[in-house]
Amino acid sequence: DGGITQSPKYLFRKEGQNVTLSCEQNLNHDAMYWYRQDPGQGLRLIYYSQIVNDFQKGDIAEGYSVSREKKESFPLTVTSAQKNPTAFYLCASSIPFRDGYTFGSGTRLTVV
Amino acid sequence: GQQVMQIPQYQHVQEGEDFTTYCNSSTTLSNIQWYKQRPGGHPVFLIQLVKSGEVKKQKRLTFQFGEAKKNSSLHITATQTTDVGTYFCAGSGGSNYKLTFGKGTLLTVNP
Repeated sequence: DGGITQSPKYLFRKEGQNVTLSCEQNLNHDAMYWYRQDPGQGLRLIYYSQIVNDFQKGDIAEGYSVSREKKESFPLTVTSAQKNPTAFYLCASSIPFRDGYTFGSGTRLTVV
Repeated sequence: GQQVMQIPQYQHVQEGEDFTTYCNSSTTLSNIQWYKQRPGGHPVFLIQLVKSGEVKKQKRLTFQFGEAKKNSSLHITATQTTDVGTYFCAGSGGSNYKLTFGKGTLLTVNP
């Protein structure tokens, strides 16, 4: 079955450490996205990518970085520059202008 | 930038009552989508509306897109406990297909 996989489900890191969240899809979707979800805040876009080797900043890109070296993969690095990294991170993919996004099950990051 | 407002933020109903959540955009949208997120889960796509004045139904759920393509609503008839979750609207404008999400409406249903 096709789908989108995020790992790990839970992640704990010490303040000041960079951490990379994995996102892999086998849906053959061109576009991939990273969203951050905080209680009562809805989903806020961090980065998105329409094609391989290209990506754009979303609304809250500061303190984050991404790469898109393969169509299937869109990892997100939360750097030490992100002031409030503890959150639920959701990766999604889509075929632009067709249907909706398919979301992964998310990674809950806690920085202590 | 584009903003999408959603009300109410919370709604508690008795099982069997109806429920409606409303979505308003600061700009004209090319399409609007609705998602449901169960507690502890991830958003799941429900439907996309594209045409002005469009109405779509999925069993007890009715989705509407306003004539001006700036507002939308989701109505659930006779809620069930399985309807519990947060309902998000999300819109995109022009040629940019990235979605801007509303903050969602959390629906709880008392059996």
